[in-house]
Amino acid sequence: DARVTQTPRHKVTEMGQEVTMRCQPILGHNTVFWYRQTMMQGLELLAYFRNRAPLDDSGMPKDRFSAEMPDATLATLKIQPSEPRDSAVYFCASGFGKGKSLHFGNGTRLTVT
Amino acid sequence: TQLLEQSPQFLSIQEGENLTVYCNSSSVFSSLQWYRQEPGEGPVLLVTVVTGGEVKKLKRLTFQFGDARKDSSLHITAAQPGDTGLYLCAAETSGSRLTFGEGTQLTVNP
Repeated sequence: DARVTQTPRHKVTEMGQEVTMRCQPILGHNTVFWYRQTMMQGLELLAYFRNRAPLDDSGMPKDRFSAEMPDATLATLKIQPSEPRDSAVYFCASGFGKGKSLHFGNGTRLTVT
Repeated sequence: TQLLEQSPQFLSIQEGENLTVYCNSSSVFSSLQWYRQEPGEGPVLLVTVVTGGEVKKLKRLTFQFGDARKDSSLHITAAQPGDTGLYLCAAETSGSRLTFGEGTQLTVNP
């Protein structure tokens, strides 16, 4: 079964450190989404790409977050510097076409102390 | 204010009971999706409803899209412990953004 792969699964870091999360979308999918999930806010959209081009990153704190797709097989989400309030589970999802279903990875659980 | 309001937020029932969860909005959507999420995993798509009034069945799960395409419901018949999870509705909004409701956490006790 094709699946979205996220690494690392867990990350514990200290405040101020840089964090990089990686996502390998399903081969052939042309849209990639980054979501953050917390108990308080649920699933929040941070950014998304279509055909590797960023379409919307309005959900991201621009001063510390950045999202890129260096190639079709890799999407990255970087936080620099990290803060305790960034603690959450970060999900990557990929899909194909407009209005189609998304396939989610199993997330990166980030804890910033 | 959430674009998609889900209720109830939490639901704990006994095996064999029936239940309905709701997803409501003041906006009209071209389609609406339901996902289930289990602990430690990402959400998994259950169904997409497209036409107002549409009813889709997936074994013991029945999904309905409101006539005005503003709301949806998920009914589970004879719930089983394996149905336990977070049920999320989602809709495509401006610019192809997929926006999620906050979810209904369902626990089915044996």
